[in-house]
Amino acid sequence: QVQLQESGPGLVKPSETLSLMCTVSGGYISGYTWTWIRQPPGKGLEWIGNIHYDGRTSYSPPLGSRVTMSLDTTKNQFSLKVASVTTADAAVYYCGRHHNSGVEPWGQGTLVTVSS
Amino acid sequence: QSALTQPASVSGSPGQSITISCTGTSSDVGGHNRVSWYQHHPGKVPKLLIYDVTNRPSGVSNRFSGSKSGNTASLTISGLQAEDEADYYCSSYTNRNTYVFGTGTKVTVL
Repeated sequence: QVQLQESGPGLVKPSETLSLMCTVSGGYISGYTWTWIRQPPGKGLEWIGNIHYDGRTSYSPPLGSRVTMSLDTTKNQFSLKVASVTTADAAVYYCGRHHNSGVEPWGQGTLVTVSS
Repeated sequence: QSALTQPASVSGSPGQSITISCTGTSSDVGGHNRVSWYQHHPGKVPKLLIYDVTNRPSGVSNRFSGSKSGNTASLTISGLQAEDEADYYCSSYTNRNTYVFGTGTKVTVL
């Protein structure tokens, strides 16, 4: 059974870069599309972007220029970077695997706070 | 891209059926059969209920069903149970090769 686990700093300073990693266990990155989704406190889910196993990426237009995703098939990991963060980027960040148009499974989520 | 529009809240009594709508445009919901639905209990991980408009992943109760007409997709929960009380989100693929979520609906079991 495939499991995903997010990791990274829980606190990021304004204007700095948020960096998160998602480790995939029980399966392989190859052959699938992987995604990042976030939920700001008290708000709804927001799609950030996805990355195919071959490295092709697609990012949410509102975030596009600040977001970078990459993957490392040798480590079975994929990553997210969001540059120039503000308090609006504070959220629970989830990684996930696409199952056709849906996302399953999801990681447990990691809370990122933006504060100086 | 704008979030898909969902009603803020829907309620029903145990055993009843409720339907949650998800309205987009011809660039997302209306243009692709790639709509999914999620159940999210606060503090928990979202759970995929429906993908590709009507398909249920293995293990999801057949009380949950999806449909689409034009630019509006719908999730129906039949035989409402107390455990169904949660937030529900739709999502759709778009013409820009991206995905967009709905605004979310809080389901209350009376």
